[in-house]
Amino acid sequence: EVQLMESGGGLVQPGGSLRLSCAASGFTFSNYAMSWVRQAPGKGMEWVSAISGSGGSTYYADSVKGRFTISRDNSKNTLYLQMDSLRAEDTAVYYCSLWPEGYTPSFDYWGQGTLVTVSS
Amino acid sequence: DVVMTQSPLSLPVTLGQPASISCRSSQSLVYSDGNTYLNWFQQRPGQSPRRLIYKVSNRDSGVPDRFSGSGSGTDFTLKISRVEAEDVGVYFCMQGTHWPPTFGQGTKVEIK
Repeated sequence: EVQLMESGGGLVQPGGSLRLSCAASGFTFSNYAMSWVRQAPGKGMEWVSAISGSGGSTYYADSVKGRFTISRDNSKNTLYLQMDSLRAEDTAVYYCSLWPEGYTPSFDYWGQGTLVTVSS
Repeated sequence: DVVMTQSPLSLPVTLGQPASISCRSSQSLVYSDGNTYLNWFQQRPGQSPRRLIYKVSNRDSGVPDRFSGSGSGTDFTLKISRVEAEDVGVYFCMQGTHWPPTFGQGTKVEIK
């Protein structure tokens, strides 16, 4: 059974940093591209970032480019999102998701999400 | 980016009655391989999203057959043949044909 467990969310001041983690199990981690998707309060889903199975290719939404860094540790089956220079508009529940490497994004499974609140 | 527009945004339904949600894309979702990468997701209250339908009309494992997807090009529909209490939640479409992937705003299904 595929399981994704996010952690690391919390309250942070504008300009601050936070590192999210997503622990994965139940599948061959390196065979899947991984992604972060967020949902701001009362809003729809917004794709944030993605990384290839090997970690060699990374992708970012324009809204977070230059501020967020996605990475993965295939030996630990864990996905990360380093969030720097946080803004109020980054406040959201952050979900990790996945799709098979080499395919178009399909978000086959989702974690339970972790809440990030950016406020002074 | 491809804009995904859903309607209605709120859908009150009587138990046992059908429900239909529309999703329109600002560009054709036919990929170069001939497939159309349009998925539907369900998000029950307090839960994370769950994929119901992939590539327009393919139900995921464990999804009841009262859920069906249809459409082509830029116009897609999710139908629930007979709404049950457990179907309450937000439904959203998503396209994976064009980069970056984009989502519809979501349609809230509630029981009248």
